Amino acid sequence: NAGVTQTPKFQVLKTGQSMTLQCAQDMNHEYMSWYRQDPGMGLRLIHYSVGAGITDQGEVPNGYNVSRSTTEDFPLRLLSAAPSQTSVYFCASGRTGTGEQYFGPGTRLTVT
Amino acid sequence: DAKTTQPTSMDCAEGRAANLPCNHSTISGNEYVYWYRQIHSQGPQYIIHGLKNNETNEMASLIITEDRKSSTLILPHATLRDTAVYYCIVRGVSNYQLIWGAGTKLIIKP
Repeated sequence: NAGVTQTPKFQVLKTGQSMTLQCAQDMNHEYMSWYRQDPGMGLRLIHYSVGAGITDQGEVPNGYNVSRSTTEDFPLRLLSAAPSQTSVYFCASGRTGTGEQYFGPGTRLTVT
Repeated sequence: DAKTTQPTSMDCAEGRAANLPCNHSTISGNEYVYWYRQIHSQGPQYIIHGLKNNETNEMASLIITEDRKSSTLILPHATLRDTAVYYCIVRGVSNYQLIWGAGTKLIIKP
């Protein structure tokens, strides 16, 4: 099992550009989520999904879109990048109904 | 979900037991206590969770007080690789979200 994979590992964007962060899991987990982590802080939930076709907002959803067309994939789209979105982004998956989540290695995004 | 309070940082000597405390005085009856850790720049790693009984797995033990207002994560024989930020999180059964605080930075010293 590869677990949770994320691409790219690093990305630099200019203000106003858009991009998609990819996340995939091979554990057949229903639950997937995206977090961002700013320096010295804990993780904050952006969006989550409890199954294909079902998504919901977390604590900090503004500026981000998600979709879940398959169980395996949960991409995160930045619509118009801003310097405030400079952060490390983590994707996670888990079985619905538990708090045991498995995290990817992260994407380090810098917006200039 | 209940809020948690953890010390900002702790040291422990290699080979000794590391005891990480967490206060969750407003925890309600159906909320679980979860522990994760994050080794420098990596994705967080699940360690253990419990409701009211003490729990043990291959990584750690979780001791929850009888009134459930606090808990302690125990790493029985700490190694240098256990240096990480440890997060204590309280989660309700029906809540999908994990609310992350700043955690405790544990430094294992040789």
